[in-house]
Amino acid sequence: AQSVAQPEDQVNVAEGNPLTVKCTYSVSGNPYLFWYVQYPNRGLQFLLKYITGDNLVKGSYGFEAEFNKSQTSFHLKKPSALVSDSALYFCAVRSVTGRRALTFGSGTRLQVQP
Amino acid sequence: DAGVIQSPRHEVTEMGQEVTLRCKPISGHNSLFWYRQTMMRGLELLIYFNNNVPIDDSGMPEDRFSAKMPNASFSTLKIQPSEPRDSAVYFCASSLDRDRGSEQYFGPGTRLTVT
Repeated sequence: AQSVAQPEDQVNVAEGNPLTVKCTYSVSGNPYLFWYVQYPNRGLQFLLKYITGDNLVKGSYGFEAEFNKSQTSFHLKKPSALVSDSALYFCAVRSVTGRRALTFGSGTRLQVQP
Repeated sequence: DAGVIQSPRHEVTEMGQEVTLRCKPISGHNSLFWYRQTMMRGLELLIYFNNNVPIDDSGMPEDRFSAKMPNASFSTLKIQPSEPRDSAVYFCASSLDRDRGSEQYFGPGTRLTVT
């Protein structure tokens, strides 16, 4: 079975400060990892993914994520938060060899204060 | 370039009525996914199709739910009869599933309210 944990329901950060949204995963074999963002009344938008190679992945809107195999984590980061980054963020995992469907975490609400 | 298209965007119906949600995936994509999002249960995969064939329907709640994909450009999710606990936002997503690393593209969702 595959699963994703996002331990924080909400993350608050001041504009201009760095942000981190945490994600840990469990999967049989090697993982494919994804981050999505959801703005109010909208569908999920793809931000970035880890497939293989460099553990630091860069994505849309200045976001990046670091894959750590030993800690089974894939935390989302941004050096300087914007108010417009305020949204719901989902981490997702897919097994290289097992179930083809994505398994999503419960989501973390990011609130960036001006 | 149109993304995933879903209709209707909002649906309000009475318990016992039939509800049909529609999805047009991105042209050229070969996989289609139906998800349901609620506050209590988060984002759940209901069913997914690959090359118009249902591959995994283990997330379909019960026999009241059915999904079809008659061709590569159209899919429906039907609930008959609907119940208040079916109230949720239903998302359709598609991907070009060359390998398991392909990302999915989501539609705007259909907000279903069953009274």
